[in-house]
Amino acid sequence: GAGVSQTPSNKVTEKGKYVELRCDPISGHTALYWYRQSLGQGPEFLIYFQGTGAADDSGLPNDRFFAVRPEGSVSTLKIQRTERGDSAVYLCASSLGGSGRKEQMFGPGTRLTVL
Amino acid sequence: GQNIDQPTEMTATEGAIVQINCTYQTSGFNGLFWYQQHAGEAPTFLSYNVLDGLEEKGRFSSFLSRSKGYSYLLLKELQMKDSASYLCAVRDGDYKLSFGAGTTVTVRA
Repeated sequence: GAGVSQTPSNKVTEKGKYVELRCDPISGHTALYWYRQSLGQGPEFLIYFQGTGAADDSGLPNDRFFAVRPEGSVSTLKIQRTERGDSAVYLCASSLGGSGRKEQMFGPGTRLTVL
Repeated sequence: GQNIDQPTEMTATEGAIVQINCTYQTSGFNGLFWYQQHAGEAPTFLSYNVLDGLEEKGRFSSFLSRSKGYSYLLLKELQMKDSASYLCAVRDGDYKLSFGAGTTVTVRA
């Protein structure tokens, strides 16, 4: 089956603009995660969804960042009033629910550049 | 907070063996994962350890010592395609992964 897909693959925007990044998880995966990866660093946790609800949004850096998953499948990460420091690769991952290994499967990411 | 350390870079020759160490200090422990990430691509899952000991999967093996807060990823019979970044990640609760900064492995002919 298809893996995790993310659109767009690249997004260039101007400081102060609003952007939306989309994630389409693997079919059947109830858990969905957003991470942010800066150059030379590992991914940094942003938010976790179990089903439709955000079970943990403790990694969102501030209230300019918001994410939704209204039907428990596709998720959208929304960033308002973008700043240059928001430039990074935004990675989405999904996994099965429950306990055990539940490895997270990552999408190719959206590279966001804020000019 | 979480502290996960791994070397920044390693270089090895095609056909050789490389061992990437990872030490961690986290508030909890519920599994350690290794991912491979080629430049500009998504991290891909390599291995999972939750109990002490060695897990072997083909040319890749991963070891865990929970009492020492230590893991390593062993890559055998290195191939050029193994040139990538290798990420160590600890799951400290039910889902959240905390990643190290990654180790860039360069395989030379």
